[in-house]
Amino acid sequence: QKEVEQNSGPLSVPEGAIASLNCTYSDRVSQSFFWYRQYSGKSPELIMSIYSNGDKEDGRFTAQLNKASQYVSLLIRDSQPSDSATYLCAVNILSDYKLSFGAGTTVTVRA
Amino acid sequence: EAQVTQNPRYLITVTGKKLTVTCSQNMNHEYMSWYRQDPGLGLRQIYYSMNVEVTDKGDVPEGYKVSRKEKRNFPLILESPSPNQTSLYFCASSGLATNEKLFFGSGTQLSVL
Repeated sequence: QKEVEQNSGPLSVPEGAIASLNCTYSDRVSQSFFWYRQYSGKSPELIMSIYSNGDKEDGRFTAQLNKASQYVSLLIRDSQPSDSATYLCAVNILSDYKLSFGAGTTVTVRA
Repeated sequence: EAQVTQNPRYLITVTGKKLTVTCSQNMNHEYMSWYRQDPGLGLRQIYYSMNVEVTDKGDVPEGYKVSRKEKRNFPLILESPSPNQTSLYFCASSGLATNEKLFFGSGTQLSVL
């Protein structure tokens, strides 16, 4: 079983809609969870981090964490064409001290 | 400016010809790591280092070497590259706390013919 799994894309949403991205992880003791955005041909950049159960909002982005279900999600509200990118879920695997990444979900926002 | 500098940006080589991809960070970070990115597989960790002279294998270390002689530098060495090492490579660094943000280099697109 992969350590971090994301819903396979690609995900296509119309401009102004909500894009919903999901991620599950296998290590129950994981403490830190991140969402990175990667534009084509560029390096990943951190857009959200979350450490406790519940929701965390930052502008149009909301991260949701449920440790009991080992599930973390990212909502992009009022999606814009500039949000078209690949979104990588990353989980800190404490047992190995490393950050494990999911395969990524590619989002396309249609104008 | 805080940054991770990775060179070269593009590299085309032939099977068996040793190469080194350099990585340097100016943030005094203890932790440095190398990843490779392939379509559909996401970022996979090759090697990481938690401090000078301390390195450890990631998920896909075969065919790669690293060294950490200085805190700021973490080169990736391919002693005998093979075509299956054709990939996009990223170097990254951060502090040691588990909630630290990773800073990525701009990537190296390697093609092994």
